[in-house]
Amino acid sequence: SQQGEEDPQALSIQEGENATMNCSYKTSINNLQWYRQNSGRGLVHLILIRSNEREKHSGRLRVTLDTSKKSSSLLITASRAADTASYFCATDARTRAAGNKLTFGGGTRVLVKP
Amino acid sequence: DAGITQSPRHKVTETGTPVTLRCHQTENHRYMYWYRQDPGHGLRLIHYSYGVKDTDKGEVSDGYSVSRSKTEDFLLTLESATSSQTSVYFCAISGHAQGGEQYFGPGTRLTVT
Repeated sequence: SQQGEEDPQALSIQEGENATMNCSYKTSINNLQWYRQNSGRGLVHLILIRSNEREKHSGRLRVTLDTSKKSSSLLITASRAADTASYFCATDARTRAAGNKLTFGGGTRVLVKP
Repeated sequence: DAGITQSPRHKVTETGTPVTLRCHQTENHRYMYWYRQDPGHGLRLIHYSYGVKDTDKGEVSDGYSVSRSKTEDFLLTLESATSSQTSVYFCAISGHAQGGEQYFGPGTRLTVT
């Protein structure tokens, strides 16, 4: 089962517009991460937000985390054609097991039209 | 993808044959992971390693085995491939015991006919 569920599954916007996608999860977490995957490539880490943080910025990315609602959002501002990709949230559940195990959601496919 | 390579990048094999995928890292990271990615399922963890000779099962480990005899190499073996194992397989590494980012390899596309 997936810990994180992204919404929407797909998103199409014009260049310059903002893109927002959401992630919901089920169990308590240490942190939540967002990754990007370009077609045919591996995932690339974008940003990590810890459970005691509410908002984090990195360039044109803004991530929020609401642990009471078990949800997070990723906002990409002033989108570019190069932002076309799939975006995944991943949670690092609180566990005593070693190894930084992440659970990924199904992803949001973002298409930015020039 | 820097510091992580996967081989082969593409493979077609027949049902019932054994298959081994290799992940090689040059980052000296302790933790290594094998995921599979299928449409509609995101990435699912197959097995992971938290040190040389130390491995554990993930969410979808049935039909797969792993080995890690040195820090830099993590092997995934399908003992007898089935069509349900047709997928894209990603290796990832991490230097964090908990709570850190993972770095992904370029993936291996496996087709079982």
